[in-house]
Amino acid sequence: AQTVTQSQPEMSVQEAETVTLSCTYDTSESNYYLFWYKQPPSRQMILVIRQEAYKQQNATENRFSVNFQKAAKSFSLKISDSQLGDTAMYFCAFMKRSGAQKLVFGQGTRLTINP
Amino acid sequence: SAVISQKPSRDICQRGTSLTIQCQVDSQVTMMFWYRQQPGQSLTLIATANQGSEATYESGFVIDKFPISRPNLTFSTLTVSNMSPEDSSIYLCSVKGQGAWETQYFGPGTRLLVL
Repeated sequence: AQTVTQSQPEMSVQEAETVTLSCTYDTSESNYYLFWYKQPPSRQMILVIRQEAYKQQNATENRFSVNFQKAAKSFSLKISDSQLGDTAMYFCAFMKRSGAQKLVFGQGTRLTINP
Repeated sequence: SAVISQKPSRDICQRGTSLTIQCQVDSQVTMMFWYRQQPGQSLTLIATANQGSEATYESGFVIDKFPISRPNLTFSTLTVSNMSPEDSSIYLCSVKGQGAWETQYFGPGTRLLVL
């Protein structure tokens, strides 16, 4: 079974700063996807970024980028030039590439961006 | 990505009653899932809604408590039966396409309070 661990329950930074959220996972699979989802107070789950395990290049989406270390089973999210609208819960998630393609979520990190 | 709607967005129910939640997608999708998010917690998969056949339930969830229907490739329902206060949660549906669209997207969620 797969497990996902987020070791930072809460983080807080000033607006415009850079922040990194940590995520580690455990799996015996070789082909899989990793995701970061954002859940603002509205409770809508919003996809932030996706990484395919067979790609060595780290994914980037505007101010969001990941540091994917497959051997270490680590998948951190970096938010550059943080904005007030980035305040939310952030969940790291794992999905196998075949078979039961359910998402397995970490416990979440509550990120607060202060003005 | 697909546009996903859920009805109702929120409800307050009495214990012992049942509530059916609807999930509608604006395009055909191969897989639909139902997740539960208990207060202050991460998301847990309830079941995978299979089109034309019985849903596949995760450990700890049973069909009698959470019956699911999926009559076509764009629609699914989840019923929370014989509710108790412990069922107070956010219920979210998600959908996944195939090929390059190997990503799960979420509906806005249904916030349920059981008194």
